Amino acid sequence: DAKTTQPPSMDCAEGRAANLPCNHSTISGNEYVYWYRQIHSQGPQYIIHGLKNNETNEMASLIITEDRKSSTLILPHATLRDTAVYYCIVRPQSGNTPLVFGKGTRLSVIA
Amino acid sequence: GAVVSQHPSRVICKSGTSVKIECRSLDFQATTMFWYRQFPKQSLMLMATSNEGSKATYEQGVEKDKFLINHASLTLSTLTVTSAHPEDSSFYICSASLWNTEAFFGQGTRLTVV
Repeated sequence: DAKTTQPPSMDCAEGRAANLPCNHSTISGNEYVYWYRQIHSQGPQYIIHGLKNNETNEMASLIITEDRKSSTLILPHATLRDTAVYYCIVRPQSGNTPLVFGKGTRLSVIA
Repeated sequence: GAVVSQHPSRVICKSGTSVKIECRSLDFQATTMFWYRQFPKQSLMLMATSNEGSKATYEQGVEKDKFLINHASLTLSTLTVTSAHPEDSSFYICSASLWNTEAFFGQGTRLTVV
């Protein structure tokens, strides 16, 4: 079972920041927070991951609370192409451990 | 990032026939690959873990004799849906990763059984 909870859907205006929350109150000390997104009829795309420090890359920023029980994915300037289902997943940083997907958040970016 | 390629992207088959789906890691070697299934408007469900050179590990409720997995090399895993029926129609997705990196996913295979 997924160890995360996310709102089922969110809307965001094009050009504005999209802030997607995730709760993972039972996260273990060795588990990272991963974010993926899935555009309709495609395989999931990796976005970003982190352990306890905030992370930023060319796609997004990840803010993890100090107690690590929740996090927020930030898309700084959402575009229509960012419309997708976003999944927050916790997992040890091991290639032999599968990602377990919850229901995710369906983000709709509106013009 | 690393690339995982899946083939075919779309297949239609008759009920009772078998279908093979290939998953390749194009620029890295993957000792472990994972197979998922996704029904419309639902999330990805893990079906099995494919281990190079050994038997696959199946999740509870997934029939190993129906979904045959072969991982004969470090860059290729195959999923064969045997004696397919309309209820097997779904979106099948594979993933692979290096030991300590994020997982990469194939583009998925949409199977329609008629």
